[in-house]
Amino acid sequence: GAGVSQSPSNKVTEKGKDVELRCDPISGHTALYWYRQSLGQGLEFLIYFQGNSAPDKSGLPSDRFSAERTGGSVSTLTIQRTQQEDSAVYLCASSSRQGASYNEQFFGPGTRLTVL
Amino acid sequence: GDSVTQMEGPVTLSEEAFLTINCTYTATGYPSLFWYVQYPGEGLQLLLKATKADDKGSNKGFEATYRKETTSFHLEKGSVQVSDSAVYFCALSSSGNTGKLIFGQGTTLQVKP
Repeated sequence: GAGVSQSPSNKVTEKGKDVELRCDPISGHTALYWYRQSLGQGLEFLIYFQGNSAPDKSGLPSDRFSAERTGGSVSTLTIQRTQQEDSAVYLCASSSRQGASYNEQFFGPGTRLTVL
Repeated sequence: GDSVTQMEGPVTLSEEAFLTINCTYTATGYPSLFWYVQYPGEGLQLLLKATKADDKGSNKGFEATYRKETTSFHLEKGSVQVSDSAVYFCALSSSGNTGKLIFGQGTTLQVKP
């Protein structure tokens, strides 16, 4: 079946603009994660969704970052008033649950964000 | 908080050489441990995992053993190939209830023919 998809694959924006990044998880996966991969910080966790709720937002770096998930499927990560330090590859992953455990996370190809 | 430390790269080896990439972790409880690989131009994919102490994860000739006493999960392969050139990430998932991954910094492996 289809894997995790993300759009756009590349986004170039000007400092101060808002951007929206989209993630389509694997069908039936209830858990969805956003990560950020940047040169200075490596791979870091941003937010976790279980269904439509986000019980762990601890990785969001500032209140300019927000995310939502609707219908237990598609998720959108929004960055307001972008800054140059927001430039990074934003990765989405999804997984299924087995009781209280989580199965393998499958990653999307990422969205490369460049803030000029 | 939980963290993962892995050896800095890049690591450059000749084909058929032995590979070790060191990984140590700090975590409360009993985390699951993972190695992910990112081939050039491709997305992250799970290479292997271990969910409890003394478990050995293996895949594609790679192995790693969960060592609780040394808090380590070193990646090894007996004979690397050019096609193994990639970035390798060690990661843990703590025993909380989110499944989120904490990654090491990544190690770039380049295998020369």
